[in-house]
Formats: sequence, structure tokens, C-alpha cells
Amino acid sequence: AQSVTQLDSHVSVSEGTPVLLRCNYSSSYSPSLFWYVQHPNKGLQLLLKYTSAATLVKGINGFEAEFKKSETSFHLTKPSAHMSDAAEYFCVVSDNTDKLIFGTGTRLQVFP
Amino acid sequence: EAGVAQSPRYKIIEKRQSVAFWCNPISGHATLYWYQQILGQGPKLLIQFQNNGVVDDSQLPKDRFSAERLKGVDSTLKIQPAKLEDSAVYLCASRGYRDRGRGQYFGPGTRLLVL
Repeated sequence: AQSVTQLDSHVSVSEGTPVLLRCNYSSSYSPSLFWYVQHPNKGLQLLLKYTSAATLVKGINGFEAEFKKSETSFHLTKPSAHMSDAAEYFCVVSDNTDKLIFGTGTRLQVFP
Repeated sequence: EAGVAQSPRYKIIEKRQSVAFWCNPISGHATLYWYQQILGQGPKLLIQFQNNGVVDDSQLPKDRFSAERLKGVDSTLKIQPAKLEDSAVYLCASRGYRDRGRGQYFGPGTRLLVL
């Protein structure tokens, strides 16, 4: 069975400092992994995806994530946080049935 | 291209009433999903359609929830009768054939409050 664990329910950073949102996954198959972002009262937007190509994946808005099979991790990073990055972030795993399994989310706060 | 459309955006009802949500996927997307997102949790799949056929409804509470996609385009999700624990955001998503394994496109959701 597939599952994801988002290790932090809340992360707070100052504007201009690095962002790290942690995610560990469990999968019986070679997984596809995603990060989605959800701004208040908005739909989920795909930030980036890993689908067995390069292990370092670059997404929109300066975010990137690295797939580490040995650590079963897929952490999301950004070198410099912006106020507009404040949102809920979901780590997602997909198995070979195309079903998406969501983590519980990490709320990112960015302080000026 | 236009995104996934959902209506209404907000709905408040009393328990035991019925409610319906509508979704229009991205044009040409054969696969359509309905998710339930309870406050503080990640979305949970309720039902998946491929064209007008159901692929997976294993997580749909069939005693009160129903969904249809009669013409293989837009879809309706209904709750009858509603319970307090149905308060959640209901998200619709779609994907095209070539997007398999590459993620889904989500609508803005319908926020339901059951009093």
C-alpha cells in the first residue's frame, strides 16, 4: 500500500530565508511523487512531479524537490521564501493505478 | 485553456437535507475524480470516472452519496441525507489520457457546511 508522511504540520520562516518541507513515502512500486500547493479558497495547484526521470525535480515558483530512494524521502525546498508562498503544501504519492494518496499537509507561514 | 469548473463555491445546509455539486472538467479530459477534503486533512478520493463509467468508488459512502457522469463530460455529486460529518470541501479533478501518472488538475472546490 502507498502512503506519505509529512513530518511537519506547520513551518514558519522569514521572508528571504530557505524553505524545507519534509515528506517520506512508502510504496510497493516505483512511485510517482508530487507536491501540490493550496492557497486559501483556491484549488490545488501542481508544483512539481517526479516520475522516474531525474531525481532532482524543478517546479514552478522556484521550488524543487529531490527524490532519495535510500531514504524514501521527497523533501520540498526553496532557497528564498516569498510572502506569496504562504499556503498549505501536500506531498502526494501515486501508484500504478494512477490513484493519488495525499499527505496531511504542511502549512507554511512566511513572516516579513 | 479553461480549468476545472465547480459550482456552487459555498453551500450551507441543515443535517438530513440533500445537496448537489456540479463539476465541468477540462475539455477533452476523459478521467474525472471527486475528492472530499475534511478540515486539517489531505483530500481523499471518493469516486473516479473514465468517460461515463465508474473506475473506483470503493471509498464512496453509497448509502448517502451518489455521483454520475451521464454524457462523459460534466458530473454531479449528491449527498442525501447530509450528516454533520459531511462538512468538508469537495474537490473535482480531471486529467487527460496523456497525463496518466503525471498528476491531476483540480477545480477550486465546493465548501459544504452542514449544521
